[in-house]
Amino acid sequence: EADIYQTPRYLVIGTGKKITLECSQTMGHDKMYWYQQDPGMELHLIHYSYGVNSTEKGDLSSESTVSRIRTEHFPLTLESARPSHTSQYLCASSAGWNTEAFFGQGTRLTVV
Amino acid sequence: QQQVKQSPQSLIVQKGGISIINCAYENTAFDYFPWYQQFPGKGPALLIAIRPDVSEKKEGRFTISFNKSAKQFSLHIMDSQPGDSATYFCAASISSGGSARQLTFGSGTQLTVLP
Repeated sequence: EADIYQTPRYLVIGTGKKITLECSQTMGHDKMYWYQQDPGMELHLIHYSYGVNSTEKGDLSSESTVSRIRTEHFPLTLESARPSHTSQYLCASSAGWNTEAFFGQGTRLTVV
Repeated sequence: QQQVKQSPQSLIVQKGGISIINCAYENTAFDYFPWYQQFPGKGPALLIAIRPDVSEKKEGRFTISFNKSAKQFSLHIMDSQPGDSATYFCAASISSGGSARQLTFGSGTQLTVLP
């Protein structure tokens, strides 16, 4: 089992609400990632981080923001949720670019 | 621009058969090629990975074949089992230097192994 945790697993929330998806890892990995994935579909990188205080946008444009204040913690925030944000969000971490990436179980977000 | 192209999108195989999934890449700087397996409701997990200094890597029933000149790599699952039914993603990354970057994933293949 990978030591990377996402909470909540499922979230149903109304339009316009602010939400934060939590991701924590205990492996001491510098690199962390957020992917957006519709069930069984392609993984789209939306944010990544090289380490503390470094964050970058990924290949897919997203209205979400991230922060990396501590090595082990990489939360994702949506200031105003919309139905178009309904998706699964996967967090991952790795020691390097060419080492195994460990994924959390994901947060299934539904915005109504 | 999709840098890693994966095919087929879906694959149905009889139990005991061979499953073959193919990927092609464009960026010759890629130097790490993993395959990930994802079951419904779970995050992807590393299955097997290869670096371009070898043409083949085998781990149990899973084999990666790598063709550097053709910029292609494939996953072969021998003696496919119903428990192998999952979505498989190929990926590629650049491990070092100024161009170092994170994994680029293919679009995924949904494998169904019939009992």
